[in-house]
Amino acid sequence: EVQVLESGGGLVQPGGSLRLSCVGSEFTFRNYAMSWVRQAPGKGLEWVSVMSGSGGGTYYADSVKGRFTISRDNSKNTLYLQMNSLRVEDTAVYYCAKGDSLSFGLITKFDCWGQGTLVTVSS
Amino acid sequence: DIQLTQSPSFLSASVGDRVTITCRASQGINSYLAWYQQGPGKAPKLLIYAASTLQSGVPSRFSGSGSGTEFSLTISSLQPEDFATYYCQQLDSYPYTFGQGTKLEIK
Repeated sequence: EVQVLESGGGLVQPGGSLRLSCVGSEFTFRNYAMSWVRQAPGKGLEWVSVMSGSGGGTYYADSVKGRFTISRDNSKNTLYLQMNSLRVEDTAVYYCAKGDSLSFGLITKFDCWGQGTLVTVSS
Repeated sequence: DIQLTQSPSFLSASVGDRVTITCRASQGINSYLAWYQQGPGKAPKLLIYAASTLQSGVPSRFSGSGSGTEFSLTISSLQPEDFATYYCQQLDSYPYTFGQGTKLEIK
């Protein structure tokens, strides 16, 4: 069964950093663009970032641009999200989602989602 | 950025009812629209992509339609497991925005 599993969430103070990880299994990880989507408590879904299968292309939401960095290690089937200069408003469950295309510009759906990892930014 | 507006935001219905949720885009997105279902405390689950294509394994009571700026998700006969929150997402251009969600509750 195709699966993705996130980890790395936790409690961090404003201005701090955290790195999230997402491991994919039962699919050829390097062949698919991957994305991060977040959901603040009691709120809707917010798309955060995407990276192509090769790692050569990325895109970020304006709300995280310059603070978050997406990366991947295809030898480890793992996607990362490095989050710096964290703010209270970054508090959310962060989901990893698998696209259906190698290129981040050709995705038509996100067909596999992890269970999410909770990031809480608070003093 | 492309804005997606779902209506209604809340919907109360009974088992066996037919319901329709609408998603309107602020500009044309061709057919690059997906629908997701999210149960309480659960991850989103893909239902429909390319506006009208049913994802493998999703029951046929779910259907999608539309193109351009107007889209809809229809559930032909509600089942108890369908009471959840539904989101549309545009995949025409980045950022890949979501609608605000429609919470479907049991009447």
